[in-house]
Amino acid sequence: EVQLVESGGGLVQPGRSLRLSCAASGFRFDDYAIHWVRQAPGKGLEWVSGISWNGHTNDYADSVRGRFTISRDNAKKSVFLHMNSLRPEDTALYYCAKVSGFLSGPLDYWGQGTLVTVSS
Amino acid sequence: EIVMTQSPATLSVSPGERATLSCRASQSISTNLAWYQQKPGQAPRLLISDASTRATGIPARFSGSGSGTEFTLTINSLQPEDFALYYCQQYNTWPPKTFGQGTKLETK
Repeated sequence: EVQLVESGGGLVQPGRSLRLSCAASGFRFDDYAIHWVRQAPGKGLEWVSGISWNGHTNDYADSVRGRFTISRDNAKKSVFLHMNSLRPEDTALYYCAKVSGFLSGPLDYWGQGTLVTVSS
Repeated sequence: EIVMTQSPATLSVSPGERATLSCRASQSISTNLAWYQQKPGQAPRLLISDASTRATGIPARFSGSGSGTEFTLTINSLQPEDFALYYCQQYNTWPPKTFGQGTKLETK
Protein backbone atom coordinates (compact mmCIF):
# COMPACT_ATOMS: atom_id res chain seq x y z
CA GLU A 1 0.00 0.00 0.00
CA VAL A 2 1.34 3.41 -0.99
CA GLN A 3 1.71 5.73 1.98
CA LEU A 4 3.00 9.27 2.31
CA VAL A 5 3.33 10.75 5.78
CA GLU A 6 4.14 14.40 6.31
CA SER A 7 5.62 15.78 9.50
CA GLY A 8 7.36 18.87 10.80
CA GLY A 9 4.55 21.38 10.76
CA GLY A 10 3.70 23.63 13.65
CA LEU A 11 3.36 27.18 14.89
CA VAL A 12 6.27 29.44 13.95
CA GLN A 13 6.92 33.15 14.13
CA PRO A 14 7.27 35.23 10.97
CA GLY A 15 10.82 35.23 9.65
CA ARG A 16 11.67 31.88 11.22
CA SER A 17 12.35 28.55 9.53
CA LEU A 18 10.77 25.12 9.45
CA ARG A 19 11.59 21.83 7.76
CA LEU A 20 8.84 19.56 6.55
CA SER A 21 9.42 15.87 5.89
CA CYS A 22 7.55 13.42 3.71
CA ALA A 23 8.19 9.74 4.43
CA ALA A 24 7.16 7.31 1.70
CA SER A 25 6.48 3.60 1.62
CA GLY A 26 4.77 1.01 -0.51
CA PHE A 27 6.36 1.87 -3.86
CA ARG A 28 9.75 2.09 -5.55
CA PHE A 29 10.54 5.55 -4.20
CA ASP A 30 13.50 6.41 -6.43
CA ASP A 31 11.45 5.95 -9.60
CA TYR A 32 9.07 8.82 -8.96
CA ALA A 33 8.96 12.56 -8.51
CA ILE A 34 7.42 14.06 -5.39
CA HIS A 35 5.65 17.39 -5.19
CA TRP A 36 4.45 19.63 -2.38
CA VAL A 37 1.03 21.26 -2.60
CA ARG A 38 -0.44 23.56 0.03
CA GLN A 39 -3.91 24.70 0.94
CA ALA A 40 -4.52 27.82 2.98
CA PRO A 41 -7.55 27.69 5.30
CA GLY A 42 -10.71 27.80 3.22
CA LYS A 43 -8.76 28.21 -0.03
CA GLY A 44 -7.90 26.11 -3.05
CA LEU A 45 -4.85 24.03 -3.89
CA GLU A 46 -1.55 25.75 -4.63
CA TRP A 47 1.41 23.89 -6.10
CA VAL A 48 4.52 24.74 -4.07
CA SER A 49 7.47 22.70 -5.31
CA GLY A 50 8.47 19.51 -7.05
CA ILE A 51 11.57 17.34 -7.30
CA SER A 52 12.43 14.72 -9.90
CA TRP A 53 13.13 11.07 -9.16
CA ASN A 54 16.88 11.63 -8.89
CA GLY A 55 16.76 15.07 -7.30
CA HIS A 56 18.46 16.72 -10.26
CA THR A 57 15.44 18.76 -11.34
CA ASN A 58 13.29 20.89 -9.10
CA ASP A 59 11.29 24.07 -9.18
CA TYR A 60 9.18 26.34 -7.04
CA ALA A 61 6.11 28.51 -7.11
CA ASP A 62 6.97 32.18 -7.51
CA SER A 63 5.50 32.83 -4.08
CA VAL A 64 8.15 30.68 -2.36
CA ARG A 65 11.13 30.85 -4.73
CA GLY A 66 14.28 31.90 -2.92
CA ARG A 67 12.81 31.03 0.49
CA PHE A 68 11.94 27.32 0.18
CA THR A 69 14.27 24.49 -0.82
CA ILE A 70 13.19 20.99 -1.75
CA SER A 71 15.47 17.97 -1.41
CA ARG A 72 15.22 14.22 -1.24
CA ASP A 73 17.08 11.28 0.27
CA ASN A 74 16.28 8.18 -1.75
CA ALA A 75 18.05 5.93 0.75
CA LYS A 76 15.65 7.13 3.44
CA LYS A 77 12.66 7.30 1.06
CA SER A 78 12.03 10.86 2.14
CA VAL A 79 11.52 14.30 0.68
CA PHE A 80 12.10 17.51 2.58
CA LEU A 81 10.88 21.06 2.25
CA HIS A 82 13.12 23.59 3.95
CA MET A 83 11.15 26.77 4.53
CA ASN A 84 12.99 29.96 5.45
CA SER A 85 11.81 33.53 6.05
CA LEU A 86 8.29 32.32 6.69
CA ARG A 87 5.43 34.75 6.22
CA PRO A 88 1.85 34.74 7.55
CA GLU A 89 0.67 33.98 4.01
CA ASP A 90 2.58 30.69 4.14
CA THR A 91 0.05 29.44 6.69
CA ALA A 92 -1.50 26.35 5.16
CA LEU A 93 -1.88 22.60 5.22
CA TYR A 94 1.08 21.21 3.31
CA TYR A 95 0.60 17.99 1.37
CA CYS A 96 3.26 15.88 -0.28
CA ALA A 97 2.12 13.92 -3.27
CA LYS A 98 3.62 11.21 -5.43
CA VAL A 99 3.78 11.90 -9.15
CA SER A 100 2.89 9.09 -11.52
CA GLY A 101 6.10 9.73 -13.45
CA PHE A 102 9.77 10.54 -12.92
CA LEU A 103 9.34 14.33 -13.17
CA SER A 104 5.81 15.52 -13.86
CA GLY A 105 2.37 14.06 -14.27
CA PRO A 106 -0.78 13.55 -12.24
CA LEU A 107 -0.45 13.33 -8.47
CA ASP A 108 -1.70 9.81 -7.86
CA TYR A 109 -1.15 9.53 -4.09
CA TRP A 110 -1.30 12.18 -1.40
CA GLY A 111 -0.41 12.32 2.26
CA GLN A 112 -2.79 13.67 4.86
CA GLY A 113 -0.86 16.91 5.24
CA THR A 114 0.97 18.78 7.96
CA LEU A 115 -0.25 22.15 9.19
CA VAL A 116 2.04 25.16 9.19
CA THR A 117 0.89 28.25 11.04
CA VAL A 118 2.98 31.41 10.77
CA SER A 119 1.99 33.90 13.42
CA SER A 120 3.50 36.06 16.11
CA GLU B 1 2.24 30.65 -17.31
CA ILE B 2 -0.79 28.54 -18.10
CA VAL B 3 -3.93 29.63 -16.29
CA MET B 4 -6.60 27.04 -15.50
CA THR B 5 -10.15 28.33 -15.14
CA GLN B 6 -12.91 26.17 -13.72
CA SER B 7 -16.62 26.81 -14.06
CA PRO B 8 -18.94 27.15 -12.41
CA ALA B 9 -17.56 28.00 -8.99
CA THR B 10 -20.54 26.25 -7.40
CA LEU B 11 -22.81 23.70 -9.02
CA SER B 12 -26.10 22.63 -7.43
CA VAL B 13 -27.40 19.27 -8.61
CA SER B 14 -29.87 16.77 -7.19
CA PRO B 15 -28.76 13.26 -6.21
CA GLY B 16 -29.26 10.85 -9.08
CA GLU B 17 -28.80 13.57 -11.67
CA ARG B 18 -25.77 14.33 -13.85
CA ALA B 19 -23.13 16.95 -13.05
CA THR B 20 -20.95 18.57 -15.70
CA LEU B 21 -17.88 20.51 -14.57
CA SER B 22 -15.67 22.52 -16.90
CA CYS B 23 -12.00 23.40 -16.95
CA ARG B 24 -10.37 25.68 -19.48
CA ALA B 25 -6.66 26.17 -20.08
CA SER B 26 -5.25 29.49 -21.29
CA GLN B 27 -3.21 27.63 -23.91
CA SER B 28 -3.19 24.14 -25.32
CA ILE B 29 -2.17 21.41 -22.91
CA SER B 30 -2.98 18.47 -25.20
CA THR B 31 -4.58 15.90 -22.85
CA ASN B 32 -2.20 16.51 -19.95
CA LEU B 33 -4.94 17.23 -17.45
CA ALA B 34 -5.95 15.67 -14.15
CA TRP B 35 -9.09 15.97 -12.05
CA TYR B 36 -9.07 15.64 -8.27
CA GLN B 37 -11.84 15.30 -5.73
CA GLN B 38 -11.52 16.72 -2.22
CA LYS B 39 -13.93 16.09 0.62
CA PRO B 40 -13.94 18.15 3.83
CA GLY B 41 -11.05 17.26 6.10
CA GLN B 42 -9.48 14.95 3.53
CA ALA B 43 -6.58 15.12 1.13
CA PRO B 44 -7.36 15.43 -2.56
CA ARG B 45 -7.81 12.18 -4.49
CA LEU B 46 -6.92 11.62 -8.12
CA LEU B 47 -10.00 10.86 -10.21
CA ILE B 48 -8.93 11.28 -13.82
CA SER B 49 -5.57 11.56 -15.55
CA ASP B 50 -4.66 12.25 -19.18
CA ALA B 51 -8.03 14.02 -19.47
CA SER B 52 -10.05 10.82 -19.66
CA THR B 53 -8.38 7.90 -17.84
CA ARG B 54 -10.00 6.94 -14.57
CA ALA B 55 -7.63 6.33 -11.68
CA THR B 56 -7.58 3.01 -9.88
CA GLY B 57 -10.77 2.38 -7.96
CA ILE B 58 -12.72 5.32 -9.39
CA PRO B 59 -16.31 4.37 -10.26
CA ALA B 60 -17.41 4.36 -13.89
CA ARG B 61 -19.92 7.14 -13.25
CA PHE B 62 -16.95 9.53 -13.37
CA SER B 63 -15.75 10.38 -16.86
CA GLY B 64 -13.46 12.98 -18.35
CA SER B 65 -13.21 14.38 -21.83
CA GLY B 66 -11.56 17.12 -23.83
CA SER B 67 -8.23 18.11 -25.29
CA GLY B 68 -6.35 21.26 -26.09
CA THR B 69 -7.95 23.94 -23.95
CA GLU B 70 -11.43 22.67 -23.07
CA PHE B 71 -12.09 19.85 -20.62
CA THR B 72 -15.10 18.38 -18.91
CA LEU B 73 -15.64 16.15 -15.90
CA THR B 74 -19.00 14.40 -15.96
CA ILE B 75 -20.48 12.58 -13.01
CA ASN B 76 -23.51 10.48 -13.84
CA SER B 77 -26.15 9.42 -11.35
CA LEU B 78 -24.75 11.50 -8.49
CA GLN B 79 -24.31 9.67 -5.23
CA PRO B 80 -24.33 11.39 -1.80
CA GLU B 81 -20.58 10.86 -1.47
CA ASP B 82 -19.90 12.74 -4.72
CA PHE B 83 -20.77 16.13 -3.29
CA ALA B 84 -17.34 17.64 -2.78
CA LEU B 85 -14.79 20.03 -4.25
CA TYR B 86 -13.25 19.26 -7.63
CA TYR B 87 -10.00 20.64 -9.02
CA CYS B 88 -8.32 20.35 -12.38
CA GLN B 89 -4.56 20.56 -12.88
CA GLN B 90 -2.41 20.72 -15.98
CA TYR B 91 0.90 18.91 -16.26
CA ASN B 92 1.73 19.69 -19.86
CA THR B 93 4.51 22.07 -18.87
CA TRP B 94 7.18 21.84 -16.18
CA PRO B 95 6.69 22.91 -13.54
CA PRO B 96 3.00 21.94 -13.31
CA LYS B 97 2.21 24.99 -11.24
CA THR B 98 -1.37 25.50 -11.96
CA PHE B 99 -4.52 24.13 -10.42
CA GLY B 100 -7.92 25.48 -11.26
CA GLN B 101 -9.65 27.41 -8.50
CA GLY B 102 -12.08 24.55 -7.90
CA THR B 103 -15.77 23.79 -8.34
CA LYS B 104 -17.92 23.04 -5.33
CA LEU B 105 -20.55 20.43 -6.14
CA GLU B 106 -23.43 20.80 -3.73
CA THR B 107 -26.78 19.17 -3.22
CA LYS B 108 -29.74 20.93 -4.80
